[in-house]
Amino acid sequence: EVQLVESGGGLVKPGGSLRLSCAASGFTFSHYDMNWVRQAPGEGLEWVSSISGSSGFIYYADSVKGRFTISRDNAKNSLYLQMNSLRAEDRAVYYCARGAVARSDGVGIDYWGQGTLVTVSS
Amino acid sequence: SYELTQPPSVSVSPGQTASIPCSGDKLGDKYASWYQQKPGQSPVLVMYQDTKRPSGIPERLSGSNSGNTATLTISGTQAMDEADYYCQAWDSSTVVFGGGTKLTVL
Repeated sequence: EVQLVESGGGLVKPGGSLRLSCAASGFTFSHYDMNWVRQAPGEGLEWVSSISGSSGFIYYADSVKGRFTISRDNAKNSLYLQMNSLRAEDRAVYYCARGAVARSDGVGIDYWGQGTLVTVSS
Repeated sequence: SYELTQPPSVSVSPGQTASIPCSGDKLGDKYASWYQQKPGQSPVLVMYQDTKRPSGIPERLSGSNSGNTATLTISGTQAMDEADYYCQAWDSSTVVFGGGTKLTVL
């Protein structure tokens, strides 16, 4: 059974940093592109970042470029999102998600974690 | 930047057909995916590469994509189909989601 379990969310002050982690199991992690997608309370889905299986391709939304860094450790079956210079508008549930969407022949995100809430407030 | 536009809401009577459109410039030249999200739950993939259903998704859900519009169609709509639906595509190194459509089954 595929499982994606996020951790690391919480309350942080504006300008602060946070590192999200996602533990993956039930599939060959290194074979899959992975993504972070966020959803502000009561709002729609917003793509944050994608990384290919070998980390050879990495993409970011303009809203986080230069502040967030996606990475993965295939030996540990883990995905990460380092978030710096956090702003109030970064407040959202952050989902770890498996799927090849950052490509022209994308097949969609087929598995999502339960999400971890990030709140940015003084 | 590329945008996908969806109507905020669509209403349908039980047993009828619901169509949820998603529009974007030359969207028909790209692949569209669709996600269903119920309150308090993570999204679920219900359609990918325009017309393909993942395992476990009922046949009464279908998709199309041509010109500037992709459409998710739900035939014989049931109460369990009431949810938010999001379209998604890839353009110029960016993954784009539509704003979402709330499907209400009256």
